[in-house]
Amino acid sequence: QSALTQPPSVSAAPGQKVTISCSGSSSNIGNNYVSWYQQLPGTAPKLLIYDNNKRPSGIPDRFSGSKSGTSATLGITGLQTGDEADYYCGTWDSSLSVVVFGGGTKLTVL
Amino acid sequence: EVQLVESGGGLVQPGGSLRLSCAASRLIFNNYWMHWVRQAPGKGLVWVSRINSDGSRTSYADSVKGRFTISRDNAKNTLFLQMNSLRAEDTAVYYCAREKSYEDFDYWGQGTLVTVSS
Repeated sequence: QSALTQPPSVSAAPGQKVTISCSGSSSNIGNNYVSWYQQLPGTAPKLLIYDNNKRPSGIPDRFSGSKSGTSATLGITGLQTGDEADYYCGTWDSSLSVVVFGGGTKLTVL
Repeated sequence: EVQLVESGGGLVQPGGSLRLSCAASRLIFNNYWMHWVRQAPGKGLVWVSRINSDGSRTSYADSVKGRFTISRDNAKNTLFLQMNSLRAEDTAVYYCAREKSYEDFDYWGQGTLVTVSS
């Protein structure tokens, strides 16, 4: 059971937009920064979003992040087949004193 | 090129030990917190441990506390994870990762597979 809750899967057609939710609590998302990662099959995770809504250099602006209260959301617009991957949210949990991740969401671009 | 390269994984019997290494290249290794994150086959990411830039502060997930030890050699730009009393549930790909700022990881190694089985 992950401390952060994500939907197991989402899907959308090429060119469309999708959002992935990440729900937590006041001890994690509510009071700490959220990051998002993309993991393509057979590869290491890649940082997509940090500090709730910032994109590292090289990450296209099709990817966006937001946070409200104890939930965070990753948005992806202009879906491409190459976006098919597992997506994870992560943050610090101040009560547990550990880094916590969501269970991951598998994105399928139909 | 900025790179993290793990090594040391393999097959070990329950109760055995392994020492993982993570070598950094052309990376400002010395000034960053470093972490280990693992991923069991077909499962999600699970945080394991972290260490601060000078090695004086460490923390662990409850599942590995007392069995795993994280350390670093800043002179050699290398991170370590000593794993003792290994269990079947420790079977996973282990990634080292650099913390960018607030428990966000901007660089990851390619991972090293640890299999605990008799």
